[in-house]
Amino acid sequence: DAKTTQPNSMESNEEEPVHLPCNHSTISGTDYIHWYRQLPSQGPEYVIHGLTSNVNNRMASLAIAEDRKSSTLILHRATLRDAAVYYCILRDQETSGSRLTFGEGTQLTVNP
Amino acid sequence: NAGVMQNPRHLVRRRGQEARLRCSPMKGHSHVYWYRQLPEEGLKFMVYLQKENIIDESGMPKERFSAEFPKEGPSILRIQQVVRGDSAAYFCASSPTGQPNTEAFFGQGTRLTVV
Repeated sequence: DAKTTQPNSMESNEEEPVHLPCNHSTISGTDYIHWYRQLPSQGPEYVIHGLTSNVNNRMASLAIAEDRKSSTLILHRATLRDAAVYYCILRDQETSGSRLTFGEGTQLTVNP
Repeated sequence: NAGVMQNPRHLVRRRGQEARLRCSPMKGHSHVYWYRQLPEEGLKFMVYLQKENIIDESGMPKERFSAEFPKEGPSILRIQQVVRGDSAAYFCASSPTGQPNTEAFFGQGTRLTVV
């Protein structure tokens, strides 16, 4: 499984944008970049995914570097409910079922 | 469309008993993944199943653990002769395909406590 590197923790203030970085220098051409988050005492929740182009959905935006060796998850206006552990995961065709391999993630704290 | 349903949400078992955890995937999803999260630790892959078949059980402990996903009914994760170290949150996820360009949807988990 290709590896990702994320900061252990980040802090933000409510209603401000948050940029969560992820490095994946060994990414292969067919790996999809997925982001999930886990709120306290809940199951992981899908946030967004992409391959090469930047992606937007109602939850967040995903900015992918041109060389694909890094990406950034952007929460446009953080709320207290966004406090969670955010996981950046490479999902590839070679791994059986393209299973998700979770790392340590980034613990996001949102200050009121 | 109901999400991934796991039950029970909380399960208490005495050492030596059996634990049966159930996971009903989203409608139309034939791919199921089980994960375990020990207290204060990350999510670890256990097993990947497609309808009636175990595809990858590389994350399953060699003994006491088994999983199935029958043609009809939920996927079951079974732990025999539970020990205190089995206390954890067990999550299942389902996906419509096993392809990397699709989302996986997770249930709320079963929190197993072994006393």
